[in-house]
Amino acid sequence: DGGITQSPKYLFRKEGQNVTLSCEQNLNHDAMYWYRQDPGQGLRLIYYSQIVNDFQKGDIAEGYSVSREKKESFPLTVTSAQKNPTAFYLCASTTSGKGPQGQFFGPGTRLTVL
Amino acid sequence: QQQVKQSPQSLIVQKGGISIINCAYENTAFDYFPWYQQFPGKGPALLIAIRPDVSEKKEGRFTISFNKSAKQFSLHIMDSQPGDSATYFCAARTISGNTPLVFGKGTRLSVIA
Repeated sequence: DGGITQSPKYLFRKEGQNVTLSCEQNLNHDAMYWYRQDPGQGLRLIYYSQIVNDFQKGDIAEGYSVSREKKESFPLTVTSAQKNPTAFYLCASTTSGKGPQGQFFGPGTRLTVL
Repeated sequence: QQQVKQSPQSLIVQKGGISIINCAYENTAFDYFPWYQQFPGKGPALLIAIRPDVSEKKEGRFTISFNKSAKQFSLHIMDSQPGDSATYFCAARTISGNTPLVFGKGTRLSVIA
């Protein structure tokens, strides 16, 4: 089955801890994205990567970090510098070339800071 | 100029009725306009999308209407069903510039029997 997987589904973190959210895709997509979703706020872009070993900040990158060492993987680290990290985190991917331009989402990770 | 404005914020429709959600944009470089459907606790799923070279696209009960001169596009859900109750997001991007999608803030649709 082709798709995007995110793990874990639920994550609890103590204040002051860094946590890493996993995102893997087997769609052979070039571009990958991380979004944060809060109630009534829609989807806000954290980071995105269009090719391996390159990534750009989105609208709310402060307190987050990413890496893109492999085409299929785009992990997100929520650092202790992120003041309000409790949210639903969504990973997405899309092709950069010709073909369907739809952006496809994973099932999400709900992060709760205790 | 990067914003996509979506309305209404919430919508209640009777079963069998037509649900209409509207979006407006400013960036004339946008050339791809998708709609996403999201159920609680799930990731958004691509519903239907349109390019600016057509004014309407229909897939089953879902139709996108696109008005390039007004820089507006809308989603129509015909014969709305309780199973359509979800949050709907419009979005836009520039394919040629390979830019990320810009999302509207979402519309929570409730279809009541």
